[in-house]
Amino acid sequence: DTEVTQTPKHLVMGMTNKKSLKCEQHMGHRAMYWYKQKAKKPPELMFVYSYEKLSINESVPSRFSPECPNSSLLNLHLHALQPEDSALYLCASSQEGLSGANVLTFGAGSRLTVL
Amino acid sequence: GQNIDQPTEMTATEGAIVQINCTYQTSGFNGLFWYQQHAGEAPTFLSYNVLDGLEEKGRFSSFLSRSKGYSYLLLKELQMKDSASYLCAVMDSNYQLIWGAGTKLIIKP
Repeated sequence: DTEVTQTPKHLVMGMTNKKSLKCEQHMGHRAMYWYKQKAKKPPELMFVYSYEKLSINESVPSRFSPECPNSSLLNLHLHALQPEDSALYLCASSQEGLSGANVLTFGAGSRLTVL
Repeated sequence: GQNIDQPTEMTATEGAIVQINCTYQTSGFNGLFWYQQHAGEAPTFLSYNVLDGLEEKGRFSSFLSRSKGYSYLLLKELQMKDSASYLCAVMDSNYQLIWGAGTKLIIKP
């Protein structure tokens, strides 16, 4: 299995809703990432988990809450989002955490629309 | 500050060759990556360079000059499916990826 699987593919939510994005990989990768990508822009790093511990939080607002239940799963809990949070949310994994030759394998993304 | 520059958009003809340039200024260097991203899809890894020189992988090649802070991605025998955005990313001294804004490549018949 050489894939990163993200669910749901599309999500529409109101500003008062609570929802979660899910990500799963079975490649034995020890690092997992959440990125946010707006149209025609590069991915922006949000969070990095290395060996199931949060190692990087790029000053992301608390309305985004990551969770890593085990080495294969990564969740992003969403609460009280704003319309400007609408974007493609990409999950990625890599064999190791912060190291060279760190090739990221991306999931297909969850397209989030906040109304 | 850290900066990666690549052209916003390029157009090429099916069957031809195109070179996408990337220049960078970063805090340290631990390698340069090229990713391909089709519209609405996830980025996929194309190449990694950490030493100077040319890395060839089928129709795609990537070149690096660390002294010049410069890389290029060369695509040969262009196919319509190569229409995509190409993202250059540099790993800095903290092993964090700094991304360029991407180059949208349009292939015409």
